[in-house]
This record gives sequence, structure tokens and C-alpha cells, in this order.
Amino acid sequence: DQQVKQNSPSLSVQEGRISILNCDYTNSMFDYFLWYKKYPAEGPTFLISISSIKDKNEDGRFTVFLNKSAKHLSLHIVPSQPGDSAVYFCAASGGGATNKLIFGTGTLLAVQP
Amino acid sequence: ETGVTQTPRHLVMGMTNKKSLKCEQHLGHNAMYWYKQSAKKPLELMFVYNFKEQTENNSVPSRFSPECPNSSHLFLHLHTLQPEDSALYLCASSQDLAGAWGEQYFGPGTRLTVT
Repeated sequence: DQQVKQNSPSLSVQEGRISILNCDYTNSMFDYFLWYKKYPAEGPTFLISISSIKDKNEDGRFTVFLNKSAKHLSLHIVPSQPGDSAVYFCAASGGGATNKLIFGTGTLLAVQP
Repeated sequence: ETGVTQTPRHLVMGMTNKKSLKCEQHLGHNAMYWYKQSAKKPLELMFVYNFKEQTENNSVPSRFSPECPNSSHLFLHLHTLQPEDSALYLCASSQDLAGAWGEQYFGPGTRLTVT
């Protein structure tokens, strides 16, 4: 049973517009959430994170929103750039005896010029 | 070299072969990880090492044998694998295991094909 779900396998957005990537989780014990970005032939790279005591964290063009009651988080990229085209993974930790990261399946973002 | 490197980048092996994957991190981190990514599945944690000691084995079959001789190097020894073991194997490192295991730094991965 997947504890972290990214229900959209792909997303296409025009350059300059907002990209919104979504992630749902089932374990209410998760207390730390992260987004990773992965280009082809490279490993995932850390992008932004948020603690469960916050509902928003912003870093430049990237903002992560957390809705604990809905067990939902989202990553907003604005404005989107062609270089943002990549697979984005949502991850969560804090559930259970260890703090290991539980990843979603990823969303492929394509930003069209 | 900087960051986390993995060799080889691609590997094709038969089910009776023995091979090893190598990971090296140049970040001065103390924790290292092996992940498996199968097609259309989430990254799956396999092993965790902290200061060279294994702290997590996520119910991985014994045909996968990790080795961590020091905090900078991590190996994954493979023997008598099955075709379903074909996947992308990713190595990662982090400063330590304090708090959440966030901000892990990943290598580019080894694409393994078992024939």
C-alpha cells in the first residue's frame, strides 16, 4: 500500500505559467516532506522541504504548501521555465520507528517554450 | 570528482553472474543508502549505513549483499539475481541520520539489466 501518492504521472505547462504538482499521503505520523527533481541520466536532487509545523515554505520560484487535514501537499513553480522540465518526486518521513524517506512515483513535468 | 558517483552506469548480467556496484561520496557525509527504482514504482529503500554500520535492511533478499568499508564508499554485491531485479539502483548520502533523513544527495544510478 503506497503511503505517498502522486496521482498525475505527467503534467504539461507553458513557459511563464504556474506549474502545480500534487502529492497525497496516508500516514498522519509523517512530519517532514520533501520534493526532489530528477533529470534523465542523473540522480534525484533535493529541491525544497517543509516541516509539518508549517503550511508553506518558499524558495525563489518554488513554494511548497502543506494541508495536514487533507494530507496533501503541492509544489508550485512560478514562473515555469523550460529548464524545470524533469521528474518531480514527493517524499515524506517521520512515520513509524525510523525516519526513512517514503517516495511517491513521480510526476513528469514538461514546460513548453 | 564531486558529489556522489556510481559505477558502472550500466550493467547487463546473467542470472548466474556475480557483479558489484560501487558508490563513492565526496561530501564528507556519514550516512549512505542504497535505493532501487523499478519502472513506474517509487524509489524503494534497500539499505542504510551510518558511520560504516548497517542500520537498516528493508527486507532485501540475500542475493543483494551490501558492504561499507568506510564512510565514503558503499558497495552492492550481486549474485544469482532474477530478471525482476532489473532496475535503476541509486546510491545516496546524507550528513548523518539526525532528525529526518532529508536532503539526501543521490548519485546518477546504475541501470541494471538481468538476462
